[in-house]
Amino acid sequence: AQSVTQLDSQVPVFEEAPVELRCNYSSSVSVYLFWYVQYPNQGLQLLLKYLSGSTLVKGINGFEAEFNKSQTSFHLRKPSVHISDTAEYFCAVSPPSTGNQFYFGTGTSLTVIP
Amino acid sequence: NAGVMQNPRHLVRRRGQEARLRCSPMKGHSHVYWYRQLPEEGLKFMVYLQKENIIDESGMPKERFSAEFPKEGPSILRIQQVVRGDSAAYFCASATSGRTGELFFGEGSRLTVL
Repeated sequence: AQSVTQLDSQVPVFEEAPVELRCNYSSSVSVYLFWYVQYPNQGLQLLLKYLSGSTLVKGINGFEAEFNKSQTSFHLRKPSVHISDTAEYFCAVSPPSTGNQFYFGTGTSLTVIP
Repeated sequence: NAGVMQNPRHLVRRRGQEARLRCSPMKGHSHVYWYRQLPEEGLKFMVYLQKENIIDESGMPKERFSAEFPKEGPSILRIQQVVRGDSAAYFCASATSGRTGELFFGEGSRLTVL
């Protein structure tokens, strides 16, 4: 079975500071990788995705993530956070071998401090 | 193009009653997923359906829970004889049949069991 690990459940960071949210997955085969963001009382929105090609993926709101196959990681980064980035962030994987199945991590709560 | 529509957004039930949550996927999407989110917990997969078929229900509790996605109409998640532990946010997501690798989420239905 696939698993996705988000090691940090809560990440506080000061406004305009950089941030990295970590995601590791377990899979011996190729996977599709995603980061979603959830603002309070809303559904999840796609931030970015990796399907193939360049390992550095740029998403919305200034976020980017880097796929590292050897470390089975897909960490999310932003060089300078805003108050509006305060939200819950979920990493997800979708192995092509499982059809259209998606597996989510437990989420990381990012709090940006003024 | 309307997004994934869930209703009701909020539902209050007393213990022992039934809860029905509806999800209309995005136009052209034939895959529907249901997830449950409990306070302070991540997104838990429940069931994955295509039109008239349950593809994966490994995350569904064995009793009281059922889901369907009929040929016509929305997908329905049904919880019979609700208990307080069923209180949660239930999210529906949809995807196309192709391997585009993205889920589109609804805003969720928040069930409160008194």
